[in-house]
Amino acid sequence: GENVEQHPSTLSVQEGDSAVIKCTYSDSASNYFPWYKQELGKRPQLIIDIRSNVGEKKDQRIAVTLNKTAKHFSLHITETQPEDSAVYFCAATANTGNQFYFGTGTSLTVIP
Amino acid sequence: DSGVTQTPKHLITATGQRVTLRCSPRSGDLSVYWYQQSLDQGLQFLIQYYNGEERAKGNILERFSAQQFPDLHSELNLSSLELGDSALYFCASSVASGGGETQYFGPGTRLLVL
Repeated sequence: GENVEQHPSTLSVQEGDSAVIKCTYSDSASNYFPWYKQELGKRPQLIIDIRSNVGEKKDQRIAVTLNKTAKHFSLHITETQPEDSAVYFCAATANTGNQFYFGTGTSLTVIP
Repeated sequence: DSGVTQTPKHLITATGQRVTLRCSPRSGDLSVYWYQQSLDQGLQFLIQYYNGEERAKGNILERFSAQQFPDLHSELNLSSLELGDSALYFCASSVASGGGETQYFGPGTRLLVL
């Protein structure tokens, strides 16, 4: 099965700085890579996703990049704000599969 | 609001008991997924149903079972509860069964086993 690794497990940045979270996956059949943000005690919420036919996707301050050859994808948050503080999960799945494989999460703290 | 609803929001029970968690997917979604999230842990996939049929199984204990009904709502049954079963239980739904579909999560049920 698929194995998704996520780094770092914790990340602290100053407000206004950028944050980068990286994930690697093992199954070359994986072709859909969503990112979820989870605030304490709340539901995971989809913030951005990317499919394997695209190398980069951007939505305002958030971007995701995908390197299929190296089997890794990254979340980039620019101009971080205190409300960006949360746990972020990456995931990978394939069209042919039924299961999402989640990373172990990154706890991001933005220091005002 | 994702459109996925879960009841109850909180549940406190004792070891050895049995509980049922309920999930209603977004309108039009046929797939329901169940996840367990223990304190400071990631999301552990338990099981998936699509249009009433079991489609995938993850790390689900034999003491746990689930089903999806004709109206597409799903129930997760947890029996012979142990202290370690205390966790947040999320369900998520998607339109289809394929793994490339976006999953939308419900607000979760927080289970505390005493």
